[in-house]
Amino acid sequence: QSVLTQPPSVSAAPGQRVTISCSGSSSNIGNDYVFWYQQLPGTAPKLLIYDDNKRPSGIPDRFSGSKSGTSATLGITGLQTGDEADYYCGAWDSSLSAGVFGGGTKLTVL
Amino acid sequence: QVQLQQWGAGLLKPSETLSLTCAVYGGSFSNYYWIWIRQPPGKGLEWIGEINHRGITNYNPSLKSRVTISVDTSKNQFSLKLTSLTAADTAVYYCARGVGRHPPGRGWGQGTLVTVSS
Repeated sequence: QSVLTQPPSVSAAPGQRVTISCSGSSSNIGNDYVFWYQQLPGTAPKLLIYDDNKRPSGIPDRFSGSKSGTSATLGITGLQTGDEADYYCGAWDSSLSAGVFGGGTKLTVL
Repeated sequence: QVQLQQWGAGLLKPSETLSLTCAVYGGSFSNYYWIWIRQPPGKGLEWIGEINHRGITNYNPSLKSRVTISVDTSKNQFSLKLTSLTAADTAVYYCARGVGRHPPGRGWGQGTLVTVSS
């Protein structure tokens, strides 16, 4: 059972917008930054968003992050078939003194 | 651009000890924390622990009794040892870079599949 809660799957058509939620608590999301990762099959996770809403260089602005209270959201606009992947949220948990992740969300671009 | 390259044994027996090493190329070694993460087949990510160049560590409480992360600053390498293995420890193990008390950022190793089976 993951500390952060994500929906197992989401889907949308090419060109559409999709959001992926990540729910936590006051000891993790409510207290520290949220990171988002994209994992393509057979590869290591790739950082998409850090510090709630910042994009590393090279990540297109189709990807965005937001946070409110103890929940965070990853948004992806202009969906492409290449966006089909697993997406994970992560944060630091001050009660555990450890990093924590969501269980992952599989995005299907119909 | 930082690159992380990891290696270690891929097939172990129950009760044995997992040992993996990750070498860091490019960028500063002393300005970051160095992280181990694992992912069981078909499942999500699990944070194992982290270390900085001074040897300061943070461990996942659920694994703390079996985990040791060490650092060799002369080689820009860090290592993971996980004792008393069971089948539940079968996973792809990743090394990664972070800034300390945060999730990993850019810079991940390629992953090593470790299978625990008799």
